[in-house]
Amino acid sequence: DTAVSQTPKYLVTQMGNDKSIKCEQNLGHDTMYWYKQDSKKFLKIMFSYNNKELIINETVPNRFSPKSPDKAHLNLHINSLELGDSAVYFCASSQGLAGNEQYFGPGTRLTVT
Amino acid sequence: DAKTTQPPSMDCAEGRAANLPCNHSTISGNEYVYWYRQIHSQGPQYIIHGLKNNETNEMASLIITEDRKSSTLILPHATLRDTAVYYCIVRPPMEYGNKLVFGAGTILRVKS
Repeated sequence: DTAVSQTPKYLVTQMGNDKSIKCEQNLGHDTMYWYKQDSKKFLKIMFSYNNKELIINETVPNRFSPKSPDKAHLNLHINSLELGDSAVYFCASSQGLAGNEQYFGPGTRLTVT
Repeated sequence: DAKTTQPPSMDCAEGRAANLPCNHSTISGNEYVYWYRQIHSQGPQYIIHGLKNNETNEMASLIITEDRKSSTLILPHATLRDTAVYYCIVRPPMEYGNKLVFGAGTILRVKS
């Protein structure tokens, strides 16, 4: 069973479109995250949610809106996509705000043309 | 910003021990050292973490110097599947939000 899953794995879209990426974890964790890995391969946190409550918002443009319908899901909606949004987006989860180990999903490669 | 310094790349022969160094000279007394790795086209994977004592698990060993300003991750018998980017991360134990700050990491190439 996949611990943290993301859909879709690849997403190609045009500038100005709106798209969503979905994340689900079956580990029973209560904290979930979104990270962005750009073309230079640096991984940066975007958001974290604990028990469906937003904990971290790392100065991400408000075109990005995470939504957590329940503790097992954290979706990322992106409005008005820009070229600079092209990256690999990783979802992760952990148990608690001080969870020692974060489990990462396989990533979603977003390409904006 | 990342609080660690790692060599950009290292090579290791298959079957030999891989020793990956990390400098964290500004580490505070309550900050942990974590290691993750990222195999090509996959999500990062937790390896090990420690505070001041040496740690060992089924994947690796973590050796932290007595002054805690540096550490070494040891993969005892490297295989080709250990080829990856290895990230050394320093973070407080109860940091609100459990944020991991990734640096550039070390590209480890295991060669046959």
